[in-house]
Amino acid sequence: DGGITQSPKYLFRKEGQNVTLSCEQNLNHDAMYWYRQDPGQGLRLIYYSQIVNDFQKGDIAEGYSVSREKKESFPLTVTSAQKNPTAFYLCALNSGNTIYFGEGSWLTVV
Amino acid sequence: GENVEQHPSTLSVQEGDSAVIKCTYSDSASNYFPWYKQELGKRPQLIIDIRSNVGEKKDQRIAVTLNKTAKHFSLHITETQPEDSAVYFCAASIQDTGRRALTFGSGTRLQVQP
Repeated sequence: DGGITQSPKYLFRKEGQNVTLSCEQNLNHDAMYWYRQDPGQGLRLIYYSQIVNDFQKGDIAEGYSVSREKKESFPLTVTSAQKNPTAFYLCALNSGNTIYFGEGSWLTVV
Repeated sequence: GENVEQHPSTLSVQEGDSAVIKCTYSDSASNYFPWYKQELGKRPQLIIDIRSNVGEKKDQRIAVTLNKTAKHFSLHITETQPEDSAVYFCAASIQDTGRRALTFGSGTRLQVQP
């Protein structure tokens, strides 16, 4: 778990603004994921990437975008098209078929 | 795609009692079933997992059972302690091929009364 770094921990977004959440790993793993968690609910998959320069939509990709230009980095952009972005965002990686999470980023719309 | 249902949504037990949380999954190809514990404001932490070639796995006070035929799996916590209070999530995925991403249940809030 210590090899996954998410930033910022807390972020406030104004209406109509794009924001980018950072996810970095130093464990040299290929597969990385972004999940969204709403208060009192489970985790839903936004995007995932199995390898550099390749990523796939998850179950709730609308209003989000990602890139995977480097193996260690998988940033998530929450665009203005995402109408209800307030949530807890978790980045994860797959290590030996086990998924571990970063500490998460709290995004609030103001 | 995969769908995971989890019950109950809340569970309150007395300290020392056992707690059981149940999950069902829809995709018969799923072969990996982890359980996560999430404390308030924290990330989910893996507590135990089971793969489809095993029917039961135990780690101290925690055990997980899997019934592939019925497509359900359960978490059992014995001798519960107040520090077991948290939200528990089950999940399912197809490992070794494809996206290998987890599909989560909706969570069970466990409260252990001292």
